[in-house]
Formats: sequence, structure tokens, C-alpha cells
Amino acid sequence: GESVGLHLPTLSVQEGDNSIINCAYSNSASDYFIWYKQESGKGPQFIIDIRSNMDKRQGQRVTVLLNKTVKHLSLQIAATQPGDSAVYFCAENIQAGTALIFGKGTTLSVSS
Amino acid sequence: GAVVSQHPSWVICKSGTSVKIECRSLDFQATTMFWYRQFPKQSLMLMATSNEGSKATYEQGVEKDKFLINHASLTLSTLTVTSAHPEDSSFYICRASGPLQETQYFGPGTRLLVL
Repeated sequence: GESVGLHLPTLSVQEGDNSIINCAYSNSASDYFIWYKQESGKGPQFIIDIRSNMDKRQGQRVTVLLNKTVKHLSLQIAATQPGDSAVYFCAENIQAGTALIFGKGTTLSVSS
Repeated sequence: GAVVSQHPSWVICKSGTSVKIECRSLDFQATTMFWYRQFPKQSLMLMATSNEGSKATYEQGVEKDKFLINHASLTLSTLTVTSAHPEDSSFYICRASGPLQETQYFGPGTRLLVL
């Protein structure tokens, strides 16, 4: 079964707000985590990743936070835009060359 | 950045026919290829893992004789859905992985519709 899950299946925000998407994982051996964005009819698009030796990593408008104590991962999107509307998946990986384990996904809807 | 392509992007076929989907890594050597299936409003479900030159490892519940995977080179993997049925209609996505965890990219997906 899936070892990575998401707390909320949907998230609706207003344009300009900050969005926070959460994810819980269960395998303490996972050492690499990725957030993907998937638009309808397309393959997953890499957003940001983080290794287990870090607790925070920032990209352009996005920040990933990792709390290993409670096995929690979150994706923060600053100044959310309508183009950010998509399904967001977290994924965990134990070792290079092995499968990514995906969570169920959170649908982010951004209204103008 | 690295690009992974899939061909075809769309395929409609009659029940009972076989369909081949290609996944190519365009600018890096993919030592491992992963094939996923995704049904509407669901997450990606891993079907199989293949290493170049080796037989694929299938996930539980995935029929290896129905979903034939070939990974003959470091840049090409193929998934053949044999004797396709309407329940095989889905979105099939490959992921190409290099030797490092950071080197992994998804293809754009192939939507299969079996009539």
C-alpha cells in the first residue's frame, strides 16, 4: 500500500494568497523527497526536492519543509497564481534506482 | 534540463489489439525506467521497474504477460499492452532515472483508450 499520504484532497485559495500543501510519510528510511505538479493530461512536473539531512529548501516562490520527527512534508507556494492550479503529489525515495512512492495528491484550485 | 519523451501521446485501439508505448530519455542515460499507470483522479500506481538489459520487475497484481516491458538500451524502454481491453484504458507514464536520485524525469504520458 501507499506509505505517503496527503491530509487534504482539495485546497481552494484566492489569487495572491499563500498555499500550504501537506504530506505525511511513514518510511523513516526514506531519504529523498520530491514535490510534483501535475496538470490535467500531462505527466508530473518536478517542483522541488529535499534530502533528509535538510529541513527546509527554497525555490522560486516555493518552499519545502521536512519534519523528520513526525514524518511530515509540506509545500508552500507564495503568492499563488491561477497557473498554479493543478494536482500536487509528494513522493519519497529510499535509494537511487528504486521506485518513488507517491501520495494520493492534493488538488489546488486558485480563483482570481 | 533533461527531457523524456513518450510516443504516442494518444492512442485509441480496438479491444484485443496490442499497443506499444515508447519512452525515450533524450539527453541522459537512464539506467532504470519505471512505468506507472494513472486512472482519473487517482495517484500514480507503479507497474514495473526495469534496468537496462535486465528483465523487468513487476508490482504485485500487474500481469507481466499482459504488460511487456523491454529496456534494451539506456535511452529507450517500451511498454506493450497485449490484447488490450477497455479496462486497460488509462494514462501510462514512464519515469527515467539515472544513477543519482536527482536524475529522474517523467515522460509526458500516453493516454490509451480501448474501445
